[in-house]
Amino acid sequence: SAVISQKPSRDICQRGTSLTIQCQVDSQVTMMFWYRQQPGQSLTLIATANQGSEATYESGFVIDKFPISRPNLTFSTLTVSNMSPEDSSIYLCSVQNPDRNTEAFFGQGTRLTVV
Amino acid sequence: AQKITQTQPGMFVQEKEAVTLDCTYDTSDPSYGLFWYKQPSSGEMIFLIYQGSYDQQNATEGRYSLNFQKARKSANLVISASQLGDSAMYFCAMREGYNFNKFYFGSGTKLNVKP
Repeated sequence: SAVISQKPSRDICQRGTSLTIQCQVDSQVTMMFWYRQQPGQSLTLIATANQGSEATYESGFVIDKFPISRPNLTFSTLTVSNMSPEDSSIYLCSVQNPDRNTEAFFGQGTRLTVV
Repeated sequence: AQKITQTQPGMFVQEKEAVTLDCTYDTSDPSYGLFWYKQPSSGEMIFLIYQGSYDQQNATEGRYSLNFQKARKSANLVISASQLGDSAMYFCAMREGYNFNKFYFGSGTKLNVKP
């Protein structure tokens, strides 16, 4: 299994500001994934982050709004830029089970409220 | 078309009874994986159970079992002997063989266990 530490766990931010979310994994993984879960909704994949290359973004998500860093095989950050109330969501990072490449494990999530 | 469909927005079950949460999926890929996750009010996503498309037997993990009916494309989660701590959102998810890195999540079922 993999233990994922994500922080902050929650934050309340002013509109127009940016927040960087950190994700630390206790083992080396090739890919890390960032998801958004809007209130009362399911999870939507924002992007896939590979070490040493630019992140791959899903339709509807752009790098200028959600820049991602992946400096090494155990760490990634997601920044939510120029926030608006519509960005209020839970943001989760995720990795595949490094032992058997089936299920994904998730961090505790960051509950973001933009006011 | 929706990849994962969960038709039960909310379910109630009496403590100590069994409950089935429905999930149907849509894929033309012969290789895929099906997953169930639990999300308590704290927001974390907890992996419960995995079923591979080529697995001959239904997956079981403690009180959780997955009723896999391939021809009907259904992957229902059965929770036996419900406990108050089972109250949470439950998400069904799928990964397809051609893009095994991407999870598709259903809309979720809110389970309430009554004492």
